[in-house]
Amino acid sequence: QQQVKQSPQSLIVQKGGISIINCAYENTAFDYFPWYQQFPGKGPALLIAIRPDVSEKKEGRFTISFNKSAKQFSLHIMDSQPGDSATYFCAASSNTNAGKSTFGDGTTLTVKP
Amino acid sequence: GAGVSQSPSNKVTEKGKDVELRCDPISGHTALYWYRQSLGQGLEFLIYFQGNSAPDKSGLPSDRFSAERTGGSVSTLTIQRTQQEDSAVYLCASSLSTGGITEAFFGQGTRLTVV
Repeated sequence: QQQVKQSPQSLIVQKGGISIINCAYENTAFDYFPWYQQFPGKGPALLIAIRPDVSEKKEGRFTISFNKSAKQFSLHIMDSQPGDSATYFCAASSNTNAGKSTFGDGTTLTVKP
Repeated sequence: GAGVSQSPSNKVTEKGKDVELRCDPISGHTALYWYRQSLGQGLEFLIYFQGNSAPDKSGLPSDRFSAERTGGSVSTLTIQRTQQEDSAVYLCASSLSTGGITEAFFGQGTRLTVV
């Protein structure tokens, strides 16, 4: 049973465009939702995270939108740049152990110049 | 060190051999996690440590997999009698603690290839 479903699997966006990646979760015990960015040959790095008590969180060009009733959350990358080309993972965990996360399968983002 | 360090970075082994993968967490981080990342897939939780104890081993795929942590620092993941399906990138992460929202920092991983 996959508890976190991520889409799309891959995404191609023109420079300056908006990249949108969606995730849905099943376990209502999850209360911490991070997004990770991973470059080839590197480990994932935390990009931005949200708790379910807010519906949106913005950090620079990156925004998480969260819909608790639908059990869905999404990552928006505004003004996408070629340097944003990477694999993005959504994840979910509980407050009692935020490091033990359930990950989506990842989205490979390519931003074309 | 400045970050989580894993060794070796790459390991090629023959089917049936045992392998040991090492993780040096960030100094002072009490929580340590092992994940497995198969090609084109997300990270699969294997085990985590709080100090030297492993309260949650639920993700270990079989009894061929084991892990230990000594001195609240270095951890070793051991895979016995490796199989081709064990081929993956094994990632280690550490965080200040398990309770509350504390960021987990990942190492670069060990790419294991079983031939």
